[in-house]
Amino acid sequence: NAGVTQTPKFRVLKTGQSMTLLCAQDMNHEYMYWYRQDPGMGLRLIHYSVGEGTTAKGEVPDGYNVSRLKKQNFLLGLESAAPSQTSVYFCASRPQGQGAPLHFGNGTRLTVT
Amino acid sequence: AQSVSQHNHHVILSEAASLELGCNYSYGGTVNLFWYVQYPGQHLQLLLKYFSGDPLVKGIKGFEAEFIKSKFSFNLRKPSVQWSDTAEYFCAVNAPYGNNRLAFGKGNQVVVIP
Repeated sequence: NAGVTQTPKFRVLKTGQSMTLLCAQDMNHEYMYWYRQDPGMGLRLIHYSVGEGTTAKGEVPDGYNVSRLKKQNFLLGLESAAPSQTSVYFCASRPQGQGAPLHFGNGTRLTVT
Repeated sequence: AQSVSQHNHHVILSEAASLELGCNYSYGGTVNLFWYVQYPGQHLQLLLKYFSGDPLVKGIKGFEAEFIKSKFSFNLRKPSVQWSDTAEYFCAVNAPYGNNRLAFGKGNQVVVIP
């Protein structure tokens, strides 16, 4: 029972490079989310999706793009990485319905030099 | 959009002490409320949740939380902490009939000294 899987686990980028973080869930969840976690800032929502083919901006969307072409996958892209994007990124998913909690992946630690 | 406030970001306790973490949210409509815990080096896990019914909810590992609608609060409590409760605790709010975005507070770093 894999749950929510994020790849890669770690990555180091140089400023200006691009990359894509992959999130995959095998629970048939409708909603998927990308958060970044920084010390003292808690989790801040980057983008989210309420279903296949739909995405929406969260609190801190600038510098990121997302796609949800398949229900089970939610991709987070950085087109031109900046040091301010050094963070731990968490993907989460949940089913529809009142009170449904999030299921989190194990995170991706990204460093931009 | 909804927002969440957590106070006392760093809490240091001795084992067997009682713990209470405050959480206040701002949103006028129906809310679902959650507490998540993040143990060192791990991802977030659900402690407990409230979405309707009894405002006093019990979660795993002896934690409980009380929803007070008039105060827009959802405080977390544990009567007697253990060293293994050392973790970061996050309160979160979802507006199920609104934007369905789950907003998190900044977290409480709790350290329990043996």
